[in-house]
Amino acid sequence: GENVEQHPSTLSVQEGDSAVIKCTYSDSASNYFPWYKQELGKRPQLIIDIRSNVGEKKDQRIAVTLNKTAKHFSLHITETQPEDSAVYFCAASPPGGVQFYFGTGTSLTVIP
Amino acid sequence: EAGVAQSPRYKIIEKRQSVAFWCNPISGHATLYWYQQILGQGPKLLIQFQNNGVVDDSQLPKDRFSAERLKGVDSTLKIQPAKLEDSAVYLCASTLLPGLAGDEQFFGPGTRLTVL
Repeated sequence: GENVEQHPSTLSVQEGDSAVIKCTYSDSASNYFPWYKQELGKRPQLIIDIRSNVGEKKDQRIAVTLNKTAKHFSLHITETQPEDSAVYFCAASPPGGVQFYFGTGTSLTVIP
Repeated sequence: EAGVAQSPRYKIIEKRQSVAFWCNPISGHATLYWYQQILGQGPKLLIQFQNNGVVDDSQLPKDRFSAERLKGVDSTLKIQPAKLEDSAVYLCASTLLPGLAGDEQFFGPGTRLTVL
Protein backbone atom coordinates (compact mmCIF):
# COMPACT_ATOMS: atom_id res chain seq x y z
CA GLY A 1 0.00 0.00 0.00
CA GLU A 2 0.87 3.67 -0.12
CA ASN A 3 3.24 5.11 2.50
CA VAL A 4 3.40 8.85 3.12
CA GLU A 5 6.19 10.50 5.10
CA GLN A 6 6.01 14.09 6.26
CA HIS A 7 8.72 16.48 7.51
CA PRO A 8 9.33 18.32 9.71
CA SER A 9 7.16 17.19 12.61
CA THR A 10 7.36 20.64 14.20
CA LEU A 11 8.08 24.02 12.66
CA SER A 12 8.32 27.46 14.22
CA VAL A 13 8.54 30.60 12.12
CA GLN A 14 8.35 34.31 12.78
CA GLU A 15 5.25 36.08 11.62
CA GLY A 16 5.70 37.20 8.03
CA ASP A 17 8.22 34.50 7.18
CA SER A 18 7.54 31.54 4.89
CA ALA A 19 6.91 27.95 5.98
CA VAL A 20 7.55 24.84 3.91
CA ILE A 21 6.33 21.34 4.72
CA LYS A 22 7.43 18.36 2.64
CA CYS A 23 5.88 14.97 2.01
CA THR A 24 7.07 11.93 0.10
CA TYR A 25 4.95 9.05 -1.14
CA SER A 26 5.75 5.55 -2.27
CA ASP A 27 3.05 4.60 -4.78
CA SER A 28 3.83 6.16 -8.13
CA ALA A 29 0.21 5.60 -9.17
CA SER A 30 -1.10 8.06 -6.56
CA ASN A 31 -2.65 10.98 -8.39
CA TYR A 32 -4.34 13.22 -5.84
CA PHE A 33 -2.59 15.04 -3.01
CA PRO A 34 -4.64 17.08 -0.54
CA TRP A 35 -3.37 19.15 2.36
CA TYR A 36 -5.41 19.53 5.54
CA LYS A 37 -5.18 22.04 8.37
CA GLN A 38 -6.28 20.91 11.81
CA GLU A 39 -6.60 23.44 14.58
CA LEU A 40 -6.50 22.23 18.15
CA GLY A 41 -9.63 20.25 18.97
CA LYS A 42 -11.14 20.75 15.54
CA ARG A 43 -11.68 18.64 12.47
CA PRO A 44 -9.18 18.49 9.58
CA GLN A 45 -10.14 20.88 6.83
CA LEU A 46 -8.94 20.84 3.25
CA ILE A 47 -6.85 23.91 2.44
CA ILE A 48 -5.42 23.04 -0.96
CA ASP A 49 -5.01 20.03 -3.20
CA ILE A 50 -3.15 19.09 -6.36
CA ARG A 51 -3.64 16.42 -8.96
CA SER A 52 -0.86 14.58 -10.72
CA ASN A 53 -1.35 16.35 -14.03
CA VAL A 54 -0.32 19.66 -12.47
CA GLY A 55 3.08 20.67 -11.08
CA GLU A 56 2.04 23.63 -8.98
CA LYS A 57 -1.10 25.21 -7.61
CA LYS A 58 -1.50 28.45 -5.71
CA ASP A 59 -4.28 29.95 -3.63
CA GLN A 60 -3.41 33.35 -2.16
CA ARG A 61 -0.68 32.72 0.44
CA ILE A 62 -0.73 28.95 0.05
CA ALA A 63 0.90 26.94 -2.72
CA VAL A 64 1.56 23.28 -3.34
CA THR A 65 4.21 21.84 -5.65
CA LEU A 66 4.40 18.28 -6.92
CA ASN A 67 7.40 16.41 -8.29
CA LYS A 68 6.08 13.14 -9.68
CA THR A 69 9.50 11.85 -10.66
CA ALA A 70 10.85 12.21 -7.15
CA LYS A 71 7.47 11.35 -5.60
CA HIS A 72 7.34 14.32 -3.31
CA PHE A 73 5.08 17.30 -2.81
CA SER A 74 5.36 20.36 -0.64
CA LEU A 75 3.15 22.95 1.01
CA HIS A 76 4.36 26.54 0.96
CA ILE A 77 2.82 29.22 3.15
CA THR A 78 4.05 32.76 2.58
CA GLU A 79 3.64 35.81 4.83
CA THR A 80 2.66 33.59 7.73
CA GLN A 81 0.20 34.89 10.31
CA PRO A 82 -0.50 33.69 13.87
CA GLU A 83 -3.79 32.16 12.68
CA ASP A 84 -1.77 29.82 10.46
CA SER A 85 -0.65 28.04 13.63
CA ALA A 86 -2.09 24.51 13.44
CA VAL A 87 -1.20 20.95 12.54
CA TYR A 88 -0.93 20.35 8.80
CA PHE A 89 -1.41 16.91 7.24
CA CYS A 90 -0.57 15.82 3.74
CA ALA A 91 -2.24 12.86 2.10
CA ALA A 92 -1.92 10.81 -1.06
CA SER A 93 -4.70 9.06 -2.88
CA PRO A 94 -4.15 6.27 -5.41
CA PRO A 95 -6.54 6.07 -8.35
CA GLY A 96 -9.73 4.08 -8.28
CA GLY A 97 -10.13 3.41 -4.59
CA VAL A 98 -10.92 6.84 -3.20
CA GLN A 99 -8.54 5.97 -0.38
CA PHE A 100 -6.43 8.49 1.49
CA TYR A 101 -3.10 7.84 3.18
CA PHE A 102 -2.04 10.52 5.62
CA GLY A 103 1.32 11.81 6.73
CA THR A 104 2.11 12.09 10.43
CA GLY A 105 1.50 15.83 10.58
CA THR A 106 3.51 19.02 11.07
CA SER A 107 2.79 21.28 14.01
CA LEU A 108 3.32 24.83 12.75
CA THR A 109 3.73 27.67 15.22
CA VAL A 110 3.82 31.23 13.94
CA ILE A 111 5.45 33.51 16.49
CA PRO A 112 4.03 37.06 16.54
CA GLU B 1 -24.18 24.54 7.22
CA ALA B 2 -24.80 20.82 6.83
CA GLY B 3 -21.73 18.72 7.32
CA VAL B 4 -20.63 15.36 8.66
CA ALA B 5 -22.21 14.85 12.07
CA GLN B 6 -20.75 12.70 14.82
CA SER B 7 -21.82 11.82 18.33
CA PRO B 8 -20.92 11.78 21.08
CA ARG B 9 -18.17 14.40 21.00
CA TYR B 10 -16.48 13.02 24.09
CA LYS B 11 -16.56 9.68 25.86
CA ILE B 12 -14.72 8.40 28.90
CA ILE B 13 -14.91 4.70 29.72
CA GLU B 14 -13.09 2.11 31.77
CA LYS B 15 -11.00 -0.51 30.00
CA ARG B 16 -12.93 -3.61 29.01
CA GLN B 17 -16.14 -1.60 28.65
CA SER B 18 -17.94 -1.17 25.36
CA VAL B 19 -18.53 2.03 23.41
CA ALA B 20 -20.28 3.03 20.21
CA PHE B 21 -19.86 6.04 17.98
CA TRP B 22 -22.30 7.36 15.41
CA CYS B 23 -21.70 9.20 12.16
CA ASN B 24 -24.09 10.79 9.70
CA PRO B 25 -22.31 11.79 6.49
CA ILE B 26 -23.22 14.64 4.19
CA SER B 27 -26.47 13.86 2.41
CA GLY B 28 -25.86 11.96 -0.80
CA HIS B 29 -22.26 11.04 -0.04
CA ALA B 30 -21.65 7.47 -1.11
CA THR B 31 -18.33 6.81 0.59
CA LEU B 32 -17.85 6.90 4.36
CA TYR B 33 -14.61 6.49 6.30
CA TRP B 34 -13.76 5.89 9.93
CA TYR B 35 -10.32 7.01 11.05
CA GLN B 36 -8.47 6.68 14.33
CA GLN B 37 -6.27 9.65 15.22
CA ILE B 38 -3.95 9.10 18.14
CA LEU B 39 -2.54 12.26 19.70
CA GLY B 40 0.34 13.59 17.64
CA GLN B 41 -0.29 11.33 14.67
CA GLY B 42 -2.12 11.52 11.38
CA PRO B 43 -5.50 9.89 10.83
CA LYS B 44 -5.29 6.13 10.30
CA LEU B 45 -8.01 4.50 8.23
CA LEU B 46 -10.00 1.88 10.12
CA ILE B 47 -12.74 1.11 7.62
CA GLN B 48 -14.15 2.47 4.39
CA PHE B 49 -17.71 1.95 3.16
CA GLN B 50 -19.09 2.56 -0.28
CA ASN B 51 -22.84 2.81 0.14
CA ASN B 52 -23.53 -0.12 2.53
CA GLY B 53 -20.62 -2.30 1.44
CA VAL B 54 -17.16 -2.50 2.99
CA VAL B 55 -14.36 -1.41 0.63
CA ASP B 56 -11.40 -1.67 3.00
CA ASP B 57 -11.23 -2.88 6.58
CA SER B 58 -7.70 -4.21 6.51
CA GLN B 59 -6.57 -2.04 9.45
CA LEU B 60 -9.63 -2.61 11.62
CA PRO B 61 -8.81 -4.70 14.73
CA LYS B 62 -11.67 -7.06 14.11
CA ASP B 63 -11.34 -8.88 17.41
CA ARG B 64 -12.65 -5.79 19.17
CA PHE B 65 -13.80 -3.25 16.58
CA SER B 66 -16.87 -3.51 14.39
CA ALA B 67 -18.66 -1.10 12.11
CA GLU B 68 -21.79 -1.08 10.03
CA ARG B 69 -23.60 1.11 7.57
CA LEU B 70 -26.76 -0.88 7.07
CA LYS B 71 -28.80 1.48 4.92
CA GLY B 72 -25.89 3.15 3.18
CA VAL B 73 -26.36 6.38 5.09
CA ASP B 74 -25.31 6.71 8.73
CA SER B 75 -22.80 4.42 10.36
CA THR B 76 -21.81 3.13 13.77
CA LEU B 77 -18.39 2.10 15.02
CA LYS B 78 -18.19 -0.10 18.09
CA ILE B 79 -15.34 -1.12 20.36
CA GLN B 80 -15.85 -4.12 22.62
CA PRO B 81 -13.94 -4.48 24.89
CA ALA B 82 -11.94 -1.27 24.94
CA LYS B 83 -8.22 -1.16 25.74
CA LEU B 84 -6.11 1.71 27.02
CA GLU B 85 -4.46 2.08 23.61
CA ASP B 86 -7.83 2.79 22.03
CA SER B 87 -7.73 6.29 23.52
CA ALA B 88 -7.86 8.53 20.46
CA VAL B 89 -10.07 10.76 18.39
CA TYR B 90 -12.32 8.82 16.03
CA LEU B 91 -13.00 10.79 12.89
CA CYS B 92 -15.70 10.08 10.37
CA ALA B 93 -15.38 11.44 6.84
CA SER B 94 -17.32 11.20 3.62
CA THR B 95 -16.89 11.79 -0.09
CA LEU B 96 -19.54 12.30 -2.72
CA LEU B 97 -18.76 9.96 -5.54
CA PRO B 98 -17.73 6.32 -5.28
CA GLY B 99 -14.64 5.21 -7.10
CA LEU B 100 -13.56 8.68 -8.14
CA ALA B 101 -9.99 9.41 -7.18
CA GLY B 102 -9.41 12.93 -6.06
CA ASP B 103 -12.84 13.49 -4.57
CA GLU B 104 -12.73 15.95 -1.66
CA GLN B 105 -13.08 14.32 1.73
CA PHE B 106 -15.14 16.09 4.42
CA PHE B 107 -14.47 15.34 8.08
CA GLY B 108 -16.78 15.33 11.05
CA PRO B 109 -15.80 16.94 14.38
CA GLY B 110 -14.64 13.63 15.81
CA THR B 111 -15.30 11.73 19.00
CA ARG B 112 -12.59 11.95 21.63
CA LEU B 113 -12.39 8.63 23.48
CA THR B 114 -10.51 8.27 26.73
CA VAL B 115 -10.07 4.77 28.12
CA LEU B 116 -9.07 4.66 31.79
